[in-house]
Amino acid sequence: GENVEQHPSTLSVQEGDSAVIKCTYSDSASNYFPWYKQELGKGPQLIIDIRSNVGEKKDQRIAVTLNKTAKHFSLHITETQPEDSAVYFCAASGPGTYKYIFGTGTRLKVLA
Amino acid sequence: DVKVTQSSRYLVKRTGEKVFLECVQDMDHENMFWYRQDPGLGLRLIYFSYDVKMKEKGDIPEGYSVSREKKERFSLILESASTNQTSMYLCATRVGANYGYTFGSGTRLTIV
Repeated sequence: GENVEQHPSTLSVQEGDSAVIKCTYSDSASNYFPWYKQELGKGPQLIIDIRSNVGEKKDQRIAVTLNKTAKHFSLHITETQPEDSAVYFCAASGPGTYKYIFGTGTRLKVLA
Repeated sequence: DVKVTQSSRYLVKRTGEKVFLECVQDMDHENMFWYRQDPGLGLRLIYFSYDVKMKEKGDIPEGYSVSREKKERFSLILESASTNQTSMYLCATRVGANYGYTFGSGTRLTIV
């Protein structure tokens, strides 16, 4: 069945360094790829998304890249700050479907 | 911004009880979703609704039902609560396909 694999499950970086989280999807028809940030005690919040007609999207310190051939996409956070510490989820969805397939999450810790 | 409100942040119920979880959105979104979130398993879709009185089963509908009598309200019902339904429950809404979800803050449900 459809599947999204996310790595790593935990990631610790020093403040100011970059963090990269990778996801691989199985359904080649997938065309929408959102990323969510979940802080402790809160629901996930959409931070960036990318559609299959572009290869990269950037929003300040956050960027997402998409490789459709390899069926993987990545979240890049530069100049990390303590407030970036959270759990990050990737997801994928395809045309004609209402649901997303989520990755299992990455717990990011930014060490001051 | 869309606001998604879940009626309870924490709830403790007894085995065998019928449990209602309520979710209300303040925009005119047609799509609403119920997920449960468990450590190591990520987010799993229970049910979704694409219009009033319309519902579709997700990946793990067993033991649950839903109700959507009005566009802004989507209720999740645990027909006879069991301890394996102890989890974080998240409601979400979105404006349409290939758009991001807006999640509520979640209800942490404990069945004793």
